[in-house]
Amino acid sequence: GAVVSQHPSRVICKSGTSVKIECRSLDFQATTMFWYRQFPKQSLMLMATSNEGSKATYEQGVEKDKFLINHASLTLSTLTVTSAHPEDSSFYICSASPGSPDTQYFGPGTRLTVL
Amino acid sequence: GQNIDQPTEMTATEGAIVQINCTYQTSGFNGLFWYQQHAGEAPTFLSYNVLDGLEEKGRFSSFLSRSKGYSYLLLKELQMKDSASYLCAVNRESNYQLIWGAGTKLIIKP
Repeated sequence: GAVVSQHPSRVICKSGTSVKIECRSLDFQATTMFWYRQFPKQSLMLMATSNEGSKATYEQGVEKDKFLINHASLTLSTLTVTSAHPEDSSFYICSASPGSPDTQYFGPGTRLTVL
Repeated sequence: GQNIDQPTEMTATEGAIVQINCTYQTSGFNGLFWYQQHAGEAPTFLSYNVLDGLEEKGRFSSFLSRSKGYSYLLLKELQMKDSASYLCAVNRESNYQLIWGAGTKLIIKP
């Protein structure tokens, strides 16, 4: 089956620093990638939708200048959390779709802890 | 507004059958997903229903009634490894931006 990887799996950083998370589709081309955030015991919250070669579409309430998304190729999207603060600590998950609605595949997630 | 409701938690016995319900009210509908998520891990795709009816995949089946805004996930022959959260998500439009339910935590007891 299709595989989506994320790197790093865990990251701990100091407040005020920036963190980049990579999402890769390993064996298919992802026309669309999604970035989610999940707080403990809560459901997934869609942050933004990323299409290759175009600007990401952010959900209401998500600061685009704080969460920078780049979808430079059909197999790679990156999320950069800029000037991270403790409240940004969360589980960040990406998913990728090759274009069919029943084939949205999730990466393993990245746990971000901001001290 | 957009609303997806699932029970918060359910308990079942190993070897038994359990049905997890999901009701939704969304401004659009192009299909409904069910995902399994173990603690600390990303969700794993289980099923996608677009048309009314029951779809069976091994021990798991998913049902959809679009007119009632209702779906359920049926798990048979429960195993301890089925202990997880089960997330219901609606695809409102064709761009796969999903609206997620809060998930149902399923606890399996021996």
